[in-house]
Amino acid sequence: ETGVTQSPTHLIKTRGQQVTLRCSSQSGHNTVSWYQQALGQGPQFIFQYYREEENGRGNFPPRFSGLQFPNYSSELNVNALELDDSALYLCAFRPGTSGAQDTQYFGPGTRLTVL
Amino acid sequence: LAKTTQPISMDSYEGQEVNITCSHNNIATNDYITWYQQFPSQGPRFIIQGYKTKVTNEVASLFIPADRKSSTLSLPRVSLSDTAVYYCLVGDGFDTGRRALTFGSGTRLQVQP
Repeated sequence: ETGVTQSPTHLIKTRGQQVTLRCSSQSGHNTVSWYQQALGQGPQFIFQYYREEENGRGNFPPRFSGLQFPNYSSELNVNALELDDSALYLCAFRPGTSGAQDTQYFGPGTRLTVL
Repeated sequence: LAKTTQPISMDSYEGQEVNITCSHNNIATNDYITWYQQFPSQGPRFIIQGYKTKVTNEVASLFIPADRKSSTLSLPRVSLSDTAVYYCLVGDGFDTGRRALTFGSGTRLQVQP
């Protein structure tokens, strides 16, 4: 519906492992944000990429890193996984036009479970 | 970052009007107020956005007083499918650069038959 896809849908990892999550949009929107949503809580902003550069970051450690590609798709990488990293990871695209509007188009999310 | 406060949960019945109020005392001059809806295991979905006074679209109305320190999402004649979590957000920043949306815990709306 939003044209935003995320892969994989579900993922199970063990502590200490590394994970890469992917996100893409059909819209051509050039700004992508990643959010972590723990069970029963609202999404928490991880970081944002605009034209392949990180230009905003929330309160997450450096082991959370990302990439944006020329086609605006994006990856979220998490190293040294911890149990508390278990969550729904959401990406959202936004039109890269100037202005204060914050409409974002979210994907369905990737459910990560760390054992 | 502008922080928001909403009721944790609300209950309603089909056909009723539901009003969810959000407070955002430290909203910045350039911030817009945006509401999202989220169903379980899905990403949030944009509902409505406004800056001041009143905004209405096909699904909801948004009322914002002059001081902009609060806003009220109004859902007319809710149905069972409106059962979801509703988030109020204010943006941080004006240009296309740094923008950190802050989600609170949201309001869990339960609509009964």
